[in-house]
Amino acid sequence: ETGVTQTPRHLVMGMTNKKSLKCEQHLGHNAMYWYKQSAKKPLELMFVYSLEERVENNSVPSRFSPECPNSSHLFLHLHTLQPEDSALYLCASSQWGGRGPYNEQFFGPGTRLTVL
Amino acid sequence: DQQVKQNSPSLSVQEGRISILNCDYTNSMFDYFLWYKKYPAEGPTFLISISSIKDKNEDGRFTVFLNKSAKHLSLHIVPSQPGDSAVYFCAARTFKLSNTGNQFYFGTGTSLTVIP
Repeated sequence: ETGVTQTPRHLVMGMTNKKSLKCEQHLGHNAMYWYKQSAKKPLELMFVYSLEERVENNSVPSRFSPECPNSSHLFLHLHTLQPEDSALYLCASSQWGGRGPYNEQFFGPGTRLTVL
Repeated sequence: DQQVKQNSPSLSVQEGRISILNCDYTNSMFDYFLWYKKYPAEGPTFLISISSIKDKNEDGRFTVFLNKSAKHLSLHIVPSQPGDSAVYFCAARTFKLSNTGNQFYFGTGTSLTVIP
């Protein structure tokens, strides 16, 4: 596997279900991100992990719970979601910090989530 | 409040002609700007970037122009090819001296169609 992979690619869940999204990066990066993309809205940063520590949490509801067990893996645990949480969830990775030009993020293909 | 705006949701261009995608921003603290390209069912991929200390960066058929006084940047694709048909996202970075590092803000995207 190369780049950033995400599983599952599609997920349909009821409001009372508990599910997890998985992301894995094979690029040797030290930072990972969760983004949400809703229709006709900009990508919204949800969580940032640097060196496995959460360093950013943009006021995301507690029904979304991230986990970063190591620098290559990132999870997003979902429970009691709402229909408005239906969106494309994108994982990304990058090298962390600095002013250099190499901080662009590499994205996975995303998980298309539908909450019924 | 959306700090990065792409006001044109779609653009159609004839093959061989120039495509110009526009992006406006509000935060004068952005120090780096990036363009990403996204095909359906794939995550965004980095295309080209520009530092806030420059006004132009060129990479093959792609050129990004930055007008800091107008808080405006644009991506030029010359000549346009059918394979360029995708959604293009503009992104901007703020640099933080604290441990939280960089923060990226994305626009809503412009869907480019290159007509053969």
